[in-house]
Amino acid sequence: AQKVTQAQTEISVVEKEDVTLDCVYETRDTTYYLFWYKQPPSGELVFLIRRNSFDEQNEISGRYSWNFQKSTSSFNFTITASQVVDSAVYFCALSVYNQGGKLIFGQGTELSVKP
Amino acid sequence: GAGVSQSPRYKVAKRGQDVALRCDPISGHVSLFWYQQALGQGPEFLTYFQNEAQLDKSGLPSDRFFAERPEGSVSTLKIQRTQQEDSAVYLCASSPQGLAGSSYNEQFFGPGTRLTVL
Repeated sequence: AQKVTQAQTEISVVEKEDVTLDCVYETRDTTYYLFWYKQPPSGELVFLIRRNSFDEQNEISGRYSWNFQKSTSSFNFTITASQVVDSAVYFCALSVYNQGGKLIFGQGTELSVKP
Repeated sequence: GAGVSQSPRYKVAKRGQDVALRCDPISGHVSLFWYQQALGQGPEFLTYFQNEAQLDKSGLPSDRFFAERPEGSVSTLKIQRTQQEDSAVYLCASSPQGLAGSSYNEQFFGPGTRLTVL
């Protein structure tokens, strides 16, 4: 069975602080994809990034960066110099190859960035 | 272009009523997914369509839940004899077909329908 765990339920930081959101996943499959989505107060999930299981290269996009480590089954997300607009619920998700694309989500981490 | 739209945005039903939730995916998207999101939780998979074919309905919680996509575009999720535990946000997502199969593609989500069963 597959599972995604986001142990941090809520995180509160002050603007300009760096923050890391943790994600640990479980799967026995060798081909899979990991995603991060952002859910702002409006409710609509917004795609942030996708990585496949064969590509452990870390990725940076502006203030966002992702660290994928198969050895620890983790796919952590760091926001550098956080801003108030980063306040949202962030979800990590797993999709296994050849299972139609259904996403298995973690419980989410609610990030609050205070001015 | 237009994103995924869902209607109604909010639905209040009395226990025992039937409800129908509509999803309009992005034009041309082959795959369509339904998820249920309880308060404070992550979305949970309900069912998946590729065009008009329902390929996976393993997540539907009971036989009171039924989904269809008869022409491969608009989809309807129907819940019969609603119960209080059905109260949740129902999210619809669509994605284009990718080379590695649907697993690879990002999914584009609609705003959801918040269902409250009294």
